Amino acid sequence: KAGVTQTPRYLIKTRGQQVTLSCSPISGHRSVSWYQQTPGQGLQFLFEYFSETQRNKGNFPGRFSGRQFSNSRSEMNVSTLELGDSALYLCASSFGTSGAGDTQYFGPGTRLTVL
Amino acid sequence: GENVEQHPSTLSVQEGDSAVIKCTYSDSASNYFPWYKQELGKGPQLIIDIRSNVGEKKDQRIAVTLNKTAKHFSLHITETQPEDSAVYFCAASSRRRSQGNLIFGKGTKLSVKP
Repeated sequence: KAGVTQTPRYLIKTRGQQVTLSCSPISGHRSVSWYQQTPGQGLQFLFEYFSETQRNKGNFPGRFSGRQFSNSRSEMNVSTLELGDSALYLCASSFGTSGAGDTQYFGPGTRLTVL
Repeated sequence: GENVEQHPSTLSVQEGDSAVIKCTYSDSASNYFPWYKQELGKGPQLIIDIRSNVGEKKDQRIAVTLNKTAKHFSLHITETQPEDSAVYFCAASSRRRSQGNLIFGKGTKLSVKP
């Protein structure tokens, strides 16, 4: 069974630009969560999508947005990039229906560098 | 706010020794506790998880214990090997939030010396 895939793996952008990252979940998984990983803040939850609807959102500015398609693939977008947005962006997929905690499987991440 | 504290931040052991990493959580409604291993250049890999209705779970050399009263859970790795060297993260999921929202500890860098 194929794992979670993320594209692209590496990105270099300049301040003020926008970026779109893509995530393909494990087949059969309907939930996709996005996390930002930085050395200073660690792993922080951005948002979760389930059946094309945003189910939960972390404490990030509105410049961070996402969406999910009918095939469960998800994209996240960051507009007006700032230097502090440099990070590893991880997506995780799960079935999304467990009431007792849902096992999440992570992709390899997209390394975003903002210059 | 809700948080997960993880200790120690770094841990160095000799090959064959045991390693223990401890986490505490603040949200009493937390009900799911996964542990992830992250190697350089890779995404976190689930190594073991435990739910709030279980006190202990084992998988070969890895075990996790949960103390709900103390809001504390631990990862135990026995007979460590050099390939166990990585950063380990604990996390917690709460009924107050959607299932897809994990709160992570800051990580423990484990070094296993041959």
